[in-house]
Amino acid sequence: DTAVSQTPKYLVTQMGNDKSIKCEQNLGHDTMYWYKQDSKKFLKIMFSYNNKELIINETVPNRFSPKSPDKAHLNLHINSLELGDSAVYFCASSSRKKTENSPLHFGNGTRLTVT
Amino acid sequence: SQQGEEDPQALSIQEGENATMNCSYKTSINNLQWYRQNSGRGLVHLILIRSNEREKHSGRLRVTLDTSKKSSSLLITASRAADTASYFCATDPLLTQGGSEKLVFGKGTKLTVNP
Repeated sequence: DTAVSQTPKYLVTQMGNDKSIKCEQNLGHDTMYWYKQDSKKFLKIMFSYNNKELIINETVPNRFSPKSPDKAHLNLHINSLELGDSAVYFCASSSRKKTENSPLHFGNGTRLTVT
Repeated sequence: SQQGEEDPQALSIQEGENATMNCSYKTSINNLQWYRQNSGRGLVHLILIRSNEREKHSGRLRVTLDTSKKSSSLLITASRAADTASYFCATDPLLTQGGSEKLVFGKGTKLTVNP
């Protein structure tokens, strides 16, 4: 009964490959996010979807493409992986309010290692 | 630019002692949130304090907010070994026209509580 689950937990792949990370939430939230955490623990937002609509699209290489088939799922596809893509990727969800950001519920992360 | 900056970067204390972590930010906010991250796991929301609040408690946690100094502190009283984790503040920037933008996370304070 995990609230925000993402798969896989670990992903080791070679440069140039294409990979996907999946995320699902069962909290009934309408907004989902992808965050990237680097080796120094700095957490940076990449994308946010609200009811399947892209609302935040940070300066991220277009090799990264999010897809939200429904409001409970937000997947991340990465093309032509590079060494610098190695990081931990976190999915999160929240209930969106117009006036403020609600607390985020995070998955346990996907550690991506590009060799 | 990054909004929240935690201080100190690392803190090591003995069980039973109190731990205080600080967060400074640069712009006006709707709210400020504190999160905890255990090693290899996702972030977990601890407490949210709104811009019109000065202090908030939750169990052994006490959060203060000083909007004039643009700073917040998280106090964990009577710490336990299980409190060992990284602690992040996240600010919800207030837009000039009202409403909110994305949460911005600091780099975190790594707390070690020695048994």
